[in-house]
Amino acid sequence: QVQLVQSGAEVKKPGASVKISCKTSGYTFIGYSIHWVRQAPGQRLEWMGKINADNGNTKYSQQFQGRVTITRDTSANTVYMELSSLRSEDTAVYYCARLGYGGYGFDYWGQGTLVIVAS
Amino acid sequence: SYELTQPPSVSLSPGQTANITCSGDKLGDKYVCWFQQKPGQSPVLVIYQDNRRPSGIPERFSGSNSGNTATLTISGTQAIDEADYYCQAWDSSSAGVFGGGTKLTVL
Repeated sequence: QVQLVQSGAEVKKPGASVKISCKTSGYTFIGYSIHWVRQAPGQRLEWMGKINADNGNTKYSQQFQGRVTITRDTSANTVYMELSSLRSEDTAVYYCARLGYGGYGFDYWGQGTLVIVAS
Repeated sequence: SYELTQPPSVSLSPGQTANITCSGDKLGDKYVCWFQQKPGQSPVLVIYQDNRRPSGIPERFSGSNSGNTATLTISGTQAIDEADYYCQAWDSSSAGVFGGGTKLTVL
């Protein structure tokens, strides 16, 4: 079965960086793109960016441009999201999600990774 | 930037029909997805490509999209449908956009 398993919770200080992993299994890794979505406490879902697992091409939300980097390791079927220059407003649950249904819907999601930014 | 607007909350009694709207400029020209999210859980896709149901999603969930408004309809709403619902589309630069979410309360 398809699974996306994310790394564990992180506590970071302002100005630091965080790197979260999303290990996939149960499907052909290079056949889909993986997207990152975050949700601050009590707030809406927020799309951050994506990577095409086959060629590594990325696209980022303008809101995070310059601070977010998404990479993948095809040998490990894993995608990584690194967010730099953290501030308190980046405290959120970060999700990875697979874009399925022919590119029309996020059909599988990771369990979420809580990132707390505090001094 | 492209924006999607949802009502913050919808309340109804069990068995009634819930209509949750999502508004955006010329939204009917785009494909819309809907997600259900319960507290402490990851979102679940309930509608994709405006009106298609993923396998395992009950038939009481349906969707439509025309003009500037997409609608998620839950017919015969049940207590287990109580959750936050988010619409999602892609803007002209292929960036993802989510609505603000609607809290569905089944009284």
